Amino acid sequence: DAKTTQPPSMDCAEGRAANLPCNHSTISGNEYVYWYRQIHSQGPQYIIHGLKNNETNEMASLIITEDRKSSTLILPHATLRDTAVYYCIVRVAIGNAGNMLTFGGGTRLMVKP
Amino acid sequence: IAGITQAPTSQILAAGRRMTLRCTQDMRHNAMYWYRQDLGLGLRLIHYSNTAGTTGKGEVPDGYSVSRANTDDFPLTLASAVPSQTSVYFCASSDSPGGERFFGPGTRLTVL
Repeated sequence: DAKTTQPPSMDCAEGRAANLPCNHSTISGNEYVYWYRQIHSQGPQYIIHGLKNNETNEMASLIITEDRKSSTLILPHATLRDTAVYYCIVRVAIGNAGNMLTFGGGTRLMVKP
Repeated sequence: IAGITQAPTSQILAAGRRMTLRCTQDMRHNAMYWYRQDLGLGLRLIHYSNTAGTTGKGEVPDGYSVSRANTDDFPLTLASAVPSQTSVYFCASSDSPGGERFFGPGTRLTVL
């Protein structure tokens, strides 16, 4: 799996957009970008994933650069409940290699009133 | 629908004792996983199972064993617990190895 680099922590004002960056400069052509988050003491929660096109769901948007070497997770209107550690993970999505969902350090997002 | 349940919620265990952490899912997912998370760190994969009857090793399998007798259950056994196995253990499942992973609430294990 390609290695990812994320800032260790970020702050965001409640109601504003939270933009969480992730660098994955060694990503290969068949690797997807996945985002999970972990709210304190809970199990991780899937947010979104994509290959090369931008993706949007009810939770967030994922913007992947054209060269696929970096991506940004956008929470459009952050709330206090979005305070969590956000993990950016890059991996293939098929076969046994898909099992190796490797969680790094993540970004600790603090949403402040 | 409960999703994934884990038991016990927490446990304090003497070193050398045998312990089985239980995990059950009701989503009929084919794949199941066990992770450990040490304080302040990310999750590390211990073992996985792509389908009932098969298992595989993850990043940190030593000291742990698993079985997958049916689709719903995926117990993790520590044959002889050691203090370095003190951690929070998360079970997860997905409909396929590449699919969205659903996590359980975790089991907090302390080995003294």
